[in-house]
Amino acid sequence: GESVGLHLPTLSVQEGDNSIINCAYSNSASDYFIWYKQESGKGPQFIIDIRSNMDKRQGQRVTVLLNKTVKHLSLQIAATQPGDSAVYFCAETEQGGSEKLVFGKGTKLTVNP
Amino acid sequence: KAGVTQTPRYLIKTRGQQVTLSCSPISGHRSVSWYQQTPGQGLQFLFEYFSETQRNKGNFPGRFSGRQFSNSRSEMNVSTLELGDSALYLCASSFGTVNTEAFFGQGTRLTVV
Repeated sequence: GESVGLHLPTLSVQEGDNSIINCAYSNSASDYFIWYKQESGKGPQFIIDIRSNMDKRQGQRVTVLLNKTVKHLSLQIAATQPGDSAVYFCAETEQGGSEKLVFGKGTKLTVNP
Repeated sequence: KAGVTQTPRYLIKTRGQQVTLSCSPISGHRSVSWYQQTPGQGLQFLFEYFSETQRNKGNFPGRFSGRQFSNSRSEMNVSTLELGDSALYLCASSFGTVNTEAFFGQGTRLTVV
């Protein structure tokens, strides 16, 4: 069935290190992928997205990599800061005119000062 | 530019009652989606409305329903509440064209007792 999963439920890094959060998806028809950050008590916040015709996209301190061959998505955060501590979700959508997002379970990132 | 607004933020209801949650999307956005977030099931898609029409629906019982008004504001209703309906209900808005960024509100925390 459709599912988007994550390899690790928790990730702990030192401030200043680079973080890599991974995600596996199962629906080969998915063509749009998004990473969200959710802080305690808040709704998910859009970080970065990537379409299936790309394999890499960079934002401010973040990079998303997409490997369609193995259906794998990753989020790289450079120079991780305490403010990056949150739960990170990957999400996918299919082609076809709907905004339905299928979310993974999430990875809790803890940044130690 | 105002973000997605959900009301109320917190709600306590008794089993068997019904509840209505409200979502005001970002100005200009025509798509509103609803999600249920629980620790056990994560973020699950409920339904999506676009131009007052339900465009997609998740795997939830008929007790969960929604609607969208001509100004794109949306409401969701849950009837005959069960303890398991306790969750954070999130609303996301987007332009609604092919796979565009979805922005989330802060959510409504529903507790059923």
